[in-house]
Amino acid sequence: QSVLTQPPSASGTPGQRVTISCSGSSSNIGGNTANWYQQLPGTAPKLLIYSTNQRPSGVPDRFSGSKSGTSASLAVSGLQSEDEADYYCATWDDSLKGLVFGGGTKLTVL
Amino acid sequence: QVHLVESGAEVKKPGASVKVSCRASGYTFTRYFIQWVRQAPGQGLEWMGWIHGGSGYTKYSQRFQGRVTMTRDASASTAYMELSSLTSEDTAMYFCARDLLGAGNYGSAAFDYWGQGSLVTVSS
Repeated sequence: QSVLTQPPSASGTPGQRVTISCSGSSSNIGGNTANWYQQLPGTAPKLLIYSTNQRPSGVPDRFSGSKSGTSASLAVSGLQSEDEADYYCATWDDSLKGLVFGGGTKLTVL
Repeated sequence: QVHLVESGAEVKKPGASVKVSCRASGYTFTRYFIQWVRQAPGQGLEWMGWIHGGSGYTKYSQRFQGRVTMTRDASASTAYMELSSLTSEDTAMYFCARDLLGAGNYGSAAFDYWGQGSLVTVSS
């Protein structure tokens, strides 16, 4: 059972906007920044969003991050077939004194 | 360009230890933390710990405390992760990654470059 809760699946059609949530507590998301990763099948994860809403260079602005209270969200707009992947949130947990990942969300492009 | 290259796949028997290496290039190794993350087949990501390339300072996940040792050879820009007392539940892909934001004695959860992964299989 992950400390950070993500929906196991999400889906959308090409061009749509999809949001993936990451629910935590005051000891993790509530007090620290959120980060998001995209993992295509058989590959290493790729950093999509860091410090809650910052994009590394090369990441399209179709990807955006936000946080409210103890939950963080990743939004993917203008959905494309190549966005079909697993998405993970991650942050520091003050109680566990360690880094934690969400369980992951499989995004399907219909 | 930044590259992290991990050692090859390993097959180990239960109770044995495994040591995975992660050779970095394209940046100043001593200025960044290296993080270790594993992923069991069909499962999610699990954080194992970090080591600073310069100071050698380490922090381990409570889950692996006592069983994991992270070291580095700064002269070779290489980090190592050794896991002991292996069981079948340790069968996983082990990734190293560079920490984008870590500073002082604290890493972050933002990893901007990843190795290709090293598959460790534990089987009798």
